[in-house]
Amino acid sequence: QKEVEQDPGPLSVPEGAIVSLNCTYSNSAFQYFMWYRQYSRKGPELLMYTYSSGNKEDGRFTAQVDKSSKYISLFIRDSQPSDSATYLCAMSASSGNNDMRFGAGTRLTVKP
Amino acid sequence: DTGVSQNPRHKITKRGQNVTFRCDPISEHNRLYWYRQTLGQGPEFLTYFQNEAQLEKSRLLSDRFSAERPKGSFSTLEIQRTEQGDSAMYLCASSPPGGNSPLHFGNGTRLTVT
Repeated sequence: QKEVEQDPGPLSVPEGAIVSLNCTYSNSAFQYFMWYRQYSRKGPELLMYTYSSGNKEDGRFTAQVDKSSKYISLFIRDSQPSDSATYLCAMSASSGNNDMRFGAGTRLTVKP
Repeated sequence: DTGVSQNPRHKITKRGQNVTFRCDPISEHNRLYWYRQTLGQGPEFLTYFQNEAQLEKSRLLSDRFSAERPKGSFSTLEIQRTEQGDSAMYLCASSPPGGNSPLHFGNGTRLTVT
C-alpha cells in the first residue's frame, strides 16, 4: 500500500462545475498538506498549503484536511477551462519537507 | 523572485552516456531538493541539501547518481552510464530557511535515454 493514495482519474467536468479532488494517506505523522497543480510539461505549482486539520480557502479553491480520517480534499468552485491540469496532493511530517510524499495526481479536464 | 530555473529543459542521450543537469534555486532559499517524476506518477524524492550540505539521499539514488551544491547556491545532478530506466522528468525545488515553508518547483529537465 502506498503512503499516499490519489484517484488518477481522468476527471472531466463542464465549465462552472464544482470539482472535488481527494487523497487518503496512511502515515499519521503527516501534518503539513499541500495541493499542487501541474500543467503538461511544466513543474508543479503550489496551490494550497495547510497545517494540521481544518479548512483553508483561497479564491475559488478550498482545501480540507481531516486527520482523524487521514483524508484531504481540494474543492474548485466555478471551474474554468484554464483549471485543466493534473492536481497533485502532497504531505510531510516535518516542516523541513525532506520527507514529502506525493500522490500520483488526478488529471482534470474542464470542458467549455 | 525569478523562480527556480532548470537547464536544460530537454536532454536526449544514448544509453551509457553521462548527463548533468543544473538547478538554480530562488536566491534566498537555502534548501534545495531533487525529485524524479515518471509519466502518470507523482514526484519521488531523490536528495536534499541545506546550504551546501547534502543531508538526505533516497534509496532511489543509485551509485550512478551524484548531486552537488557547491557554495550552497546552484546544484547539479549527474547521472553516469545512463540506462533507459533513467528516462524521466527531473525536478528541482527550493524552500526558504525556517520551517513551515512549502516547496517551489522548477519546470524540470526531461531526460530521454535511447
